[in-house]
Amino acid sequence: RKEVEQDPGPFNVPEGATVAFNCTYSNSASQSFFWYRQDCRKEPKLLMSVYSSGNEDGRFTAQLNRASQYISLLIRDSKLSDSATYLCVVVATGAGSYQLTFGKGTKLSVIP
Amino acid sequence: DAEITQSPRHKITETGRQVTLACHQTWNHNNMFWYRQDLGHGLRLIHYSYGVQDTNKGEVSDGYSVSRSNTEDLPLTLESAASSQTSVYFCASSEGGRDEQFFGPGTRLTVL
Repeated sequence: RKEVEQDPGPFNVPEGATVAFNCTYSNSASQSFFWYRQDCRKEPKLLMSVYSSGNEDGRFTAQLNRASQYISLLIRDSKLSDSATYLCVVVATGAGSYQLTFGKGTKLSVIP
Repeated sequence: DAEITQSPRHKITETGRQVTLACHQTWNHNNMFWYRQDLGHGLRLIHYSYGVQDTNKGEVSDGYSVSRSNTEDLPLTLESAASSQTSVYFCASSEGGRDEQFFGPGTRLTVL
């Protein structure tokens, strides 16, 4: 089983739709979780951190389920500008260091 | 404003040549990272550093080296470039091991 898995998509959704992405991780000792956004041919940028209690930032909601070892990202009222690839990132400690593992990303296309 | 820069942004080189990619950050972060991103693989860690004179191998370190002589810079050297090293290279930095990573704009390297 791969350490961090995401559905690669693409998810093609109309403007205004609600879309959800999941990301599963295999290391039960993982401590921190993030969602990054990457536009085509650009660098990844932090979208939001994922807290145990769940967190919301405008149209975006992130949740963590430690028991089932997955994190999710919900986007409400999709905009054309939301079209991008969304990467989940999982941080665990190991061998005296922090190990970040990136998922391969889920591509979202919001269609007019 | 603090930032992280990479140079060159594009590079074409020949097999067997030594190539150095520069990464400079003004965040005053101790942690710096080098990744490569290829289709189908996502972001993979090459080398990382937790401070001056500290360097560590990542997942795909063969054929690459780094050195950390100051806080701001972590140059990545390809000792003898190979076609398999054609990729997009991203440098990143973070304040703590579990914290958000800030990425540079990337270097697109082509090895002919």
